[in-house]
Amino acid sequence: DGGITQSPKYLFRKEGQNVTLSCEQNLNHDAMYWYRQDPGQGLRLIYYSQIVNDFQKGDIAEGYSVSREKKESFPLTVTSAQKNPTAFYLCASSPQGPGGQPQHFGDGTRLSIL
Amino acid sequence: GQQVMQIPQYQHVQEGEDFTTYCNSSTTLSNIQWYKQRPGGHPVFLIQLVKSGEVKKQKRLTFQFGEAKKNSSLHITATQTTDVGTYFCAGNDYKLSFGAGTTVTVRA
Repeated sequence: DGGITQSPKYLFRKEGQNVTLSCEQNLNHDAMYWYRQDPGQGLRLIYYSQIVNDFQKGDIAEGYSVSREKKESFPLTVTSAQKNPTAFYLCASSPQGPGGQPQHFGDGTRLSIL
Repeated sequence: GQQVMQIPQYQHVQEGEDFTTYCNSSTTLSNIQWYKQRPGGHPVFLIQLVKSGEVKKQKRLTFQFGEAKKNSSLHITATQTTDVGTYFCAGNDYKLSFGAGTTVTVRA
């Protein structure tokens, strides 16, 4: 079945540590997205990529970095500069981006600070 | 920048009753999408509205796009326990902006 795979499901970070969240899709979609979801809030866009080797900052990019070396993969690194990283992180993709087409979401990664 | 507001934030519904959630944008939208997120799950696309005044139905769910393309609503009739979850609208002008969602609980 086609879909989006996020790993790990749960992740714990120590203070001052960078961590990388994985997102892989086999839907052959050009566009991929990273969102952050906090309790009682909607999805806030961190970064998005419309094509390989290109990506743009979203609304809350500070403290995060991404790469898009392959069409299928869009990893997100939460750096030590992100002071409040505890959240639920969702990866999504769409045939093209950034708007106008439905987005397909992975199951998410829940990040917590130790 | 574009802002999408959604009300109410919480909706407690007696099983069998109807309810409506509303979505308002600060800018004119090219289209609007609705998603549902079950507890512990991820958002799942429900529908997209494109035309001014458009109305679409999915069984007990009725989606409407305003004439000015700045607001939308989702009306659910005869609520069931399977309707539990958070419903998000997402407005698109040059990018997709999600509302904060309406979290629905159902009293059996």
